Amino acid sequence: NAGVMQNPRHLVRRRGQEARLRCSPMKGHSHVYWYRQLPEEGLKFMVYLQKENIIDESGMPKERFSAEFPKEGPSILRIQQVVRGDSAAYFCASSPRQGWTDTQYFGPGTRLTVL
Amino acid sequence: DAKTTQPTSMDCAEGRAANLPCNHSTISGNEYVYWYRQIHSQGPQYIIHGLKNNETNEMASLIITEDRKSSTLILPHATLRDTAVYYCIVRPASGGSYIPTFGRGTSLIVHP
Repeated sequence: NAGVMQNPRHLVRRRGQEARLRCSPMKGHSHVYWYRQLPEEGLKFMVYLQKENIIDESGMPKERFSAEFPKEGPSILRIQQVVRGDSAAYFCASSPRQGWTDTQYFGPGTRLTVL
Repeated sequence: DAKTTQPTSMDCAEGRAANLPCNHSTISGNEYVYWYRQIHSQGPQYIIHGLKNNETNEMASLIITEDRKSSTLILPHATLRDTAVYYCIVRPASGGSYIPTFGRGTSLIVHP
């Protein structure tokens, strides 16, 4: 049973470009969570999604960031017009059942570097 | 508004037990204690969780005090590969709005 998959593992963008980060949850998991980890800091929650629904986006920056989890395919975290401060590791987690009450399993992360 | 407090760092000799403490004095009756760890440059890895009773699995043991205000994660025979940041978090046992907070965790260094 494959774990949570994230790609790319490393992504380099120049300021002003768009970054697209993909997350495929574990088989049978229908809940996805995105976290951001700035250098030398802990994980910060960004958004929680179910298939075709955003359940909680209270941790998402108000501008330039968006997330989706379509009926088919991986969840996408999209960052438009990236800035140097967006450089971080972005982790995706998935769980099989409802929300925060279930154990989350994390992917290996995508390390975004903005030049 | 941290719900858990952990020491910033600890070290342990290889082969010895590593005991990582966590204080969660404001824990509610319906909140679980979860432990994750993050090895350098990797995603967090689930270790164990518990509500009231002590728990054990192939990775670790979790000892929760009777008043549930603190807990200890025990790695019985630490290896060099256990060097990581260990996060203790509390999570509700039932649904509702909740934002998980990982905090800084405890950086455990296992030395030869």
